[in-house]
Amino acid sequence: AQSVTQPDIHITVSEGASLELRCNYSYGATPYLFWYVQSPGQGLQLLLKYFSGDTLVQGIKGFEAEFKRSQSSFNLRKPSVHWSDAAEYFCAVAPGRGYSTLTFGKGTMLLVSP
Amino acid sequence: GAVVSQHPSRVICKSGTSVKIECRSLDFQATTMFWYRQFPKQSLMLMATSNEGSKATYEQGVEKDKFLINHASLTLSTLTVTSAHPEDSSFYICSARRTSGGEQYFGPGTRLTVT
Repeated sequence: AQSVTQPDIHITVSEGASLELRCNYSYGATPYLFWYVQSPGQGLQLLLKYFSGDTLVQGIKGFEAEFKRSQSSFNLRKPSVHWSDAAEYFCAVAPGRGYSTLTFGKGTMLLVSP
Repeated sequence: GAVVSQHPSRVICKSGTSVKIECRSLDFQATTMFWYRQFPKQSLMLMATSNEGSKATYEQGVEKDKFLINHASLTLSTLTVTSAHPEDSSFYICSARRTSGGEQYFGPGTRLTVT
């Protein structure tokens, strides 16, 4: 069975600083990987996804993530954080084609300080 | 496109009563809908998967008689929490997808509080 670990429960970043949120997965075959963002009391919005090909994927809102098979990681990055980026971020993995069954990590809460 | 709505957004009910939550795909037909539960500061846990016109598939540990799921049309799925208890209080989120393996689009969630 697949699993996802997000080692940081919460992270505080100054506005304008760079951001990296960590995600490690466990899955026997090539995983399909996703990052979602959830604002308070809201549903989830897909930021980006990796299925195959270029291991550096670009997403919405200036986010990118890099798939590193050797490290079983799919870390999310943003070069300059905005106050509106404060939210909870979830990494997820699906075992098969596309989004068949999503397994989510426990999330990382991003706080942005002025 | 690909908007999913949930109704109500918040509901408070008394212990022992039942409450129904609706999930609608507004601008596409959803062959499959998913129901998740999210506890405070926790991740989303898949409760069940429902395909239009057939019985839902429940995840291990989820009581099918307590969480009734109906997917009567390609744009509507409902989750009914029967005989609700305070421990059922949670944030319930649905998602929908057009085709097998396609992207899941998430609803905004429903906050259920059982008093």
